Amino acid sequence: DQQVKQNSPSLSVQEGRISILNCDYTNSMFDYFLWYKKYPAEGPTFLISISSIKDKNEDGRFTVFLNKSAKHLSLHIVPSQPGDSAVYFCAGRRSNYQLIWGAGTKLIIKP
Amino acid sequence: DSGVTQTPKHLITATGQRVTLRCSPRSGDLSVYWYQQSLDQGLQFLIQYYNGEERAKGNILERFSAQQFPDLHSELNLSSLELGDSALYFCASSALAGAYEQYFGPGTRLTVT
Repeated sequence: DQQVKQNSPSLSVQEGRISILNCDYTNSMFDYFLWYKKYPAEGPTFLISISSIKDKNEDGRFTVFLNKSAKHLSLHIVPSQPGDSAVYFCAGRRSNYQLIWGAGTKLIIKP
Repeated sequence: DSGVTQTPKHLITATGQRVTLRCSPRSGDLSVYWYQQSLDQGLQFLIQYYNGEERAKGNILERFSAQQFPDLHSELNLSSLELGDSALYFCASSALAGAYEQYFGPGTRLTVT
């Protein structure tokens, strides 16, 4: 059963605007949620994390919000830049440290 | 460059065959993870090793096995290959056993014909 879902396979955003990527989860037994970014022909790279006891974590242009009641998290990128075009994966970390991954959202930043 | 290397980059083989994928972790990292990514799917955790010992097991098929050697490199062995095994196989490493920040190699694309 898929416990982390990214329902949007792709998203197109104008350069300079805000990009919002969404992720839903069905299991409350995650202690951390993570976002990874992946360019073609490369492996994923870690972007930002949020503890399950927090509501928000910010790192430069990237902010992750966690809504525990809705079992929903989102990644905000402001302002969006061409180099942000990539596939973004959200993942949850279980208590046994195993990561459960979403299917990814392809973000396209238009000039 | 994450510092994690994987070989080969591409592998094409026939059903029923056996292949070995190799991974060298970042210098100093003791933990190695293997993931499978099928088309348009998320990464599926297969197995983790820490300092030579199996640490955690995910949805790894019995036809698949892995090991981590004393020099910390790891190999994933896939046998009796089926068409459905065609996928990207990623290796990742981390310094600690439970780290959520993992460093990924570029992956090995396996095509089973």
